[in-house]
Amino acid sequence: DQQVKQNSPSLSVQEGRISILNCDYTNSMFDYFLWYKKYPAEGPTFLISISSIKDKNEDGRFTVFLNKSAKHLSLHIVPSQPGDSAVYFCAASAGNTDKLIFGTGTRLQVFP
Amino acid sequence: DSGVTQTPKHLITATGQRVTLRCSPRSGDLSVYWYQQSLDQGLQFLIQYYNGEERAKGNILERFSAQQFPDLHSELNLSSLELGDSALYFCASEDRTNTGELFFGEGSRLTVL
Repeated sequence: DQQVKQNSPSLSVQEGRISILNCDYTNSMFDYFLWYKKYPAEGPTFLISISSIKDKNEDGRFTVFLNKSAKHLSLHIVPSQPGDSAVYFCAASAGNTDKLIFGTGTRLQVFP
Repeated sequence: DSGVTQTPKHLITATGQRVTLRCSPRSGDLSVYWYQQSLDQGLQFLIQYYNGEERAKGNILERFSAQQFPDLHSELNLSSLELGDSALYFCASEDRTNTGELFFGEGSRLTVL
């Protein structure tokens, strides 16, 4: 049972435009959410997180939105840059000391 | 560089064999997680250790086992290997302040022929 779902395996966006990556979850106990970015031949690296007490968290060009009622979160990248091309994983946990459950990832390609 | 070290980076072996993957967490981190990433799959949680003790178990097969040693490094043992075990195996350590952020190693790519 996939508790964290990323239904879009890939996304292609033009440089300078907004990239929106989506993630849905089924476990209502999840209260901490993170996004990781992964380049080929490297391990995933932490990008941004949000706890369930918030509905938005911003860090530079990256903003994560959380809609608890819909069990949905999204990552916005504005403006998108070619260096953002990577696989993005959404992850969730029930408490920040619990194991992270990852989605299947979305491959973002930003073209000039 | 995440500070998490995994060896070997690549490993090719035959079905039925046994391999050991090794992970050294970041200095000071007490938690070690193991994840498996198969082709077109997300990161599947296998097992977590905290200061030498098993803390959580995910979808880890009985043919797989792990341990964390007193110096906090961890080993993942995979036995009776099957073709479907071919995957990237990632180790991660958790920020010591328990922010929930994991720091991943570069992974060990296992190919079973």
